This record gives sequence, structure tokens and C-alpha cells, in this order.
Amino acid sequence: DGGITQSPKYLFRKEGQNVTLSCEQNLNHDAMYWYRQDPGQGLRLIYYSQIVNDFQKGDIAEGYSVSREKKESFPLTVTSAQKNPTAFYLCASSRMTDFNQPQHFGDGTRLSIL
Amino acid sequence: QKEVEQDPGPLSVPEGAIVSLNCTYSNSAFQYFMWYRQYSRKGPELLMYTYSSGNKEDGRFTAQVDKSSKYISLFIRDSQPSDSATYLCAARREAGNMLTFGGGTRLMVKP
Repeated sequence: DGGITQSPKYLFRKEGQNVTLSCEQNLNHDAMYWYRQDPGQGLRLIYYSQIVNDFQKGDIAEGYSVSREKKESFPLTVTSAQKNPTAFYLCASSRMTDFNQPQHFGDGTRLSIL
Repeated sequence: QKEVEQDPGPLSVPEGAIVSLNCTYSNSAFQYFMWYRQYSRKGPELLMYTYSSGNKEDGRFTAQVDKSSKYISLFIRDSQPSDSATYLCAARREAGNMLTFGGGTRLMVKP
């Protein structure tokens, strides 16, 4: 089945630690996105990538970093500079060649502070 | 002011009721409008996707966009307990694929 796989489902971070969230898609989508979701709030865009080896900051990029070395993979690193990392992190992907194609989401990673 | 606003709810209805979920938006450049359903601890699932004004129907779901009043609605007919979830509306401009989300409305359908 085609889809977006996020791992792990739950992740715990210690003070001063960087952690990396995995996102893999087998939909052959060009674009990939990372969102953060806090309770009762909508999704806020952290980073997005429209093509391999290129990515842009979203609305809340501070304290996060990404890479896009392969089309199917878009890992997100939550660095120690992110002072409030506890949230639900969602990865999405979409085609870029057809503007009528919407974004599809993975099932998220819940990050908590130890 | 957020560009897309939703009442957070929760909205509680009896099984079989017609549900009306609503969003307002402020950016006139938005042309595409989406409704996503999100179950607890899961990612959002696309329900409806519409372009500009008008209605779109898919089974028990109808999406309605009124660009003159910047108002987006999702109607659910014959609501079921399995419809209990958070519903997120989203909008985007003509070009590009950046979405702006509302905060979500939590719906509870009681048997």
C-alpha cells in the first residue's frame, strides 16, 4: 500500500539533546512537509521541500532542521535550541506537477520532554 | 487575527443528526479549500477538496464554499458515532501548495 510512514510513534527528549523524526513516503510525491500540532491548535508549518536537496523554512522553523537527500525521505531534527518541543509532529507529501493534488499525512510522532 | 478560524467545540450531537461545521477566513487570495478528519493520535485524513465557490457532495458529506462571505462549511448527514473526530478546515492560494489550517472542531456523535 502506498503511504507515508512516520517513526517512531512516541519519542522522548532529554534536556540538551537533539532528536530526529523519520518520514518516508512511497507515493512518488515531489513535495514533503513537516507540521507541528499543539492541543487545540491548527497545524503550523515548520519546513517544506519541493525537490531533492532543497528545502524552505515555514512559519516556525527556529530550533528545527531538515534534510532531503532522497525523494522519499524527509527527516526532521528537533534541536536543543527548540525550548518547547512537546507536540505532535506530522509529515505530509503532495505532487507538485498538479495543483489539484492535496497534501496527504502520516500518522504523526508525539514528542515529549523527559 | 488568524487567517482561518474555527470554533474549537466540542460539538455534541445524537446519532443520525445533521452536523454543520464551519470556518471563516480572511485572505481573499485563498482559492482551494479542504476539510480533513483527524482521529485521536492519528494524522489528518482528507475528506473534501473544493475549488472556489460552490458545493461538492460525497456520500454523507457536503462541502460548501461562499467566497463572498469568506465562509466554508461541511455538512454531515445521518451522523454516526464513527464520525466522532476533530475536523480541520484548510485553505490555499491558486499557486503553490502551502496550506493554512484552522484550529479544528471536535465533534462527538453519541449513540
